[in-house]
Amino acid sequence: NAGVTQTPKFRVLKTGQSMTLLCAQDMNHEYMYWYRQDPGMGLRLIHYSVGEGTTAKGEVPDGYNVSRLKKQNFLLGLESAAPSQTSVYFCASGGADYNEQFFGPGTRLTVL
Amino acid sequence: EDQVTQSPEALRLQEGESSSLNCSYTVSGLRGLFWYRQDPGKGPEFLFTLYSAGEEKEKERLKATLTKKESFLHITAPKPEDSATYLCAVRSISSGSARQLTFGSGTQLTVLP
Repeated sequence: NAGVTQTPKFRVLKTGQSMTLLCAQDMNHEYMYWYRQDPGMGLRLIHYSVGEGTTAKGEVPDGYNVSRLKKQNFLLGLESAAPSQTSVYFCASGGADYNEQFFGPGTRLTVL
Repeated sequence: EDQVTQSPEALRLQEGESSSLNCSYTVSGLRGLFWYRQDPGKGPEFLFTLYSAGEEKEKERLKATLTKKESFLHITAPKPEDSATYLCAVRSISSGSARQLTFGSGTQLTVLP
């Protein structure tokens, strides 16, 4: 099992550009999450999904959109990137039978 | 609102020097307290889940304990390979069916040879 994978690993954008981050999991997990991690602030939840076709807002959703068209994939979109969105983005997934979340390797995004 | 505070922010130990990391939490009904390890440039790696006060879990040189207000991650005779950032997170009644976790900002541990 690959677990949770994320693409791309690194990306540099200019202000106003758009992009999509892809998260994939092969553990048949129902729950998927997108976090951002900034120095001194810990992991903050952006959006999450409790199942295929469902999404909901987390703690810091502004400027982001998500979609979960397939159970194994969770996409995070930035429609018009801003420097404040420079961060490391982590995807996580979790199954119905346990409480812990399993994380991907992260995407480092820089917005100039 | 759930809150998690970790201390210290950074800790430097000599190899073999045991110590503890603290995670204080405020929640409306604990459904689980989680410890993760994060190496530089990587995603968090799950270590332990604790559910009720008095519970303890061990893995190699690490032991996690839980009270009604805080959790400790005890590191016994650490080695340089234990150097990492250790994250604490909680799940509470308020997370509902989404099973959201609230994370602390972590303790950066450095073990010197």
